[in-house]
Amino acid sequence: GENVEQHPSTLSVQEGDSAVIKCTYSDSASNYFPWYKQELGKRPQLIIDIRSNVGEKKDQRIAVTLNKTAKHFSLHITETQPEDSAVYFCAARRPQAGTALIFGKGTTLSVSS
Amino acid sequence: ETGVTQSPTHLIKTRGQQVTLRCSSQSGHNTVSWYQQALGQGPQFIFQYYREEENGRGNFPPRFSGLQFPNYSSELNVNALELDDSALYLCASTNDRVATEAFFGQGTRLTVV
Repeated sequence: GENVEQHPSTLSVQEGDSAVIKCTYSDSASNYFPWYKQELGKRPQLIIDIRSNVGEKKDQRIAVTLNKTAKHFSLHITETQPEDSAVYFCAARRPQAGTALIFGKGTTLSVSS
Repeated sequence: ETGVTQSPTHLIKTRGQQVTLRCSSQSGHNTVSWYQQALGQGPQFIFQYYREEENGRGNFPPRFSGLQFPNYSSELNVNALELDDSALYLCASTNDRVATEAFFGQGTRLTVV
């Protein structure tokens, strides 16, 4: 089955710096890759996602890149702010799998001002 | 906030007992998944229901079972509770197996003592 590896497990940056989180997946059939942000005690919330027919997607300060050949995808956050501090999870999903996501173990991002 | 609601929000059970957790999916969503999130870990896929039938299962023993009702709400049942079952249980819904974003509920925090 699918396995998703996520690195680093913790990331500390200064406000205004960029942050990059990387994930690799094992199942070449996976075709949907969302990123979730989870604040302490709250539900995971989708921040950006990408399908396998696209190499890059941007939404304001957040971008995701996908390399299907290497089976890895990355989250890029620019101009980080203290409110970006949270745990970020990457995930992968096979076609027609609905809500059956396979998650990475998460990255705790700390942005200090 | 999503339209996915879970009950109860917190629960304490004794080892060996049984528990039922409930999830009301967002209106129009016919696909529901359940996840177990241990402290400091990513959500782990338990199983998914599509139109009242189990449609995919993760690496969880048979004492984890579920139901989906005609209104697409869902239950997660766990028998013979073990201490390691202590976790945040999340449900997620979407409107079809091929849809993209999965919307998460706020979770049920289960503590087994």
